[in-house]
Amino acid sequence: DTGVSQDPRHKITKRGQNVTFRCDPISEHNRLYWYRQTLGQGPEFLTYFQNEAQLEKSRLLSDRFSAERPKGSFSTLEIQRTEQGDSAMYLCASSFWSDGYTFGSGTRLTVV
Amino acid sequence: SQQGEEDPQALSIQEGENATMNCSYKTSINNLQWYRQNSGRGLVHLILIRSNEREKHSGRLRVTLDTSKKSSSLLITASRAADTASYFCATGSMDSNYQLIWGAGTKLIIKP
Repeated sequence: DTGVSQDPRHKITKRGQNVTFRCDPISEHNRLYWYRQTLGQGPEFLTYFQNEAQLEKSRLLSDRFSAERPKGSFSTLEIQRTEQGDSAMYLCASSFWSDGYTFGSGTRLTVV
Repeated sequence: SQQGEEDPQALSIQEGENATMNCSYKTSINNLQWYRQNSGRGLVHLILIRSNEREKHSGRLRVTLDTSKKSSSLLITASRAADTASYFCATGSMDSNYQLIWGAGTKLIIKP
């Protein structure tokens, strides 16, 4: 197992376009998380899956954001009608229950 | 919302010296974790300390937890240039055993 993989590493998109990111967690981990991080700040929680069930979604997340984890394997995070304020690093992590997280390298989104 | 506050915000020391970073939090926790992030990269889990533990070691790392003061410290002994990174504390809440709440981090620079 090579850890948590995220794709793409970088994404530049025009305002108003939709984008989708993918995360492949560590296969033995039952929990998957999406976080967002802006420069100089710690990660901000977006959403969380336990197996295939999405159990929590941050109130900060607008309806433009949606995440899926079909069959409890990989996960996708979609942002519709992107805005400049969506520019950030999007981090995926997985864990076995509440053990320490393993993070992917992140997807850096730039909305122009 | 951010719960953890790291102190100092930035720290610059000579290689070989010890580095101490502190973290304070606000609510009751079931664990506290420390992570390292190299510039523009993903986060790496360093150590997890549970609320019923007071001290934990991992190699050159020593973490203490004082739940009465709602604070933790991370000590890196015999620092190396490769330790240059941002260090974040993250708390696992008693109310939520899945969501970590993060501070803004301490930026550590080790001068050769």
